Amino acid sequence: DAGVTQSPTHLIKTRGQQVTLRCSPKSGHDTVSWYQQALGQGPQFIFQYYEEEERQRGNFPDRFSGHQFPNYSSELNVNALLLGDSALYLCASSPRTGLNTGELFFGEGSRLTVL
Amino acid sequence: AQSVAQPEDQVNVAEGNPLTVKCTYSVSGNPYLFWYVQYPNRGLQFLLKYITGDNLVKGSYGFEAEFNKSQTSFHLKKPSALVSDSALYFCAVRDIGGTYKYIFGTGTRLKVLA
Repeated sequence: DAGVTQSPTHLIKTRGQQVTLRCSPKSGHDTVSWYQQALGQGPQFIFQYYEEEERQRGNFPDRFSGHQFPNYSSELNVNALLLGDSALYLCASSPRTGLNTGELFFGEGSRLTVL
Repeated sequence: AQSVAQPEDQVNVAEGNPLTVKCTYSVSGNPYLFWYVQYPNRGLQFLLKYITGDNLVKGSYGFEAEFNKSQTSFHLKKPSALVSDSALYFCAVRDIGGTYKYIFGTGTRLKVLA
């Protein structure tokens, strides 16, 4: 049973560029959340998707956008990259049926470096 | 607003000794509390959770946590530390409104010395 998979694992971009990160949730999970973890910090909630719609959003600018596909996989897009966007981006999946008590299952992350 | 605090950036403990990693919380309503562990260059792994019931919660790898409502704390503990327990530990609280938005602490680095 594959867990949460993310790609790419590492990438380097320059300021102003755009990036797309991808996530496949754990089998049986239909809810995907994205978190940003800056160096030395805890993960910060970006947004959550289920039923192909953004359901909740954290305090991130509109440069951060996402998408969820019918197979529950998800993408995170960041436009007009800033140096401060350098971080580990974590995808987490969960089943909706476990909403009230469920823990998050994390992928290993995509480390983005913006130069 | 919901929040958690981890007052120690780093905890050092000798192998075989008991360990405690501290977490305090501030929530509206009943807290849903979690501990996660992160190994270098990896994602977070779930250790344990408190939703309701017994104040002592047992989790993975021999870890346990004690929920203390009066002190608004949820400290992570293990009776006998292993060198392999060395990692970054995060306390988290689930936000209100029945969602999967979690608020994480800043993390505590645990170093177990051989």
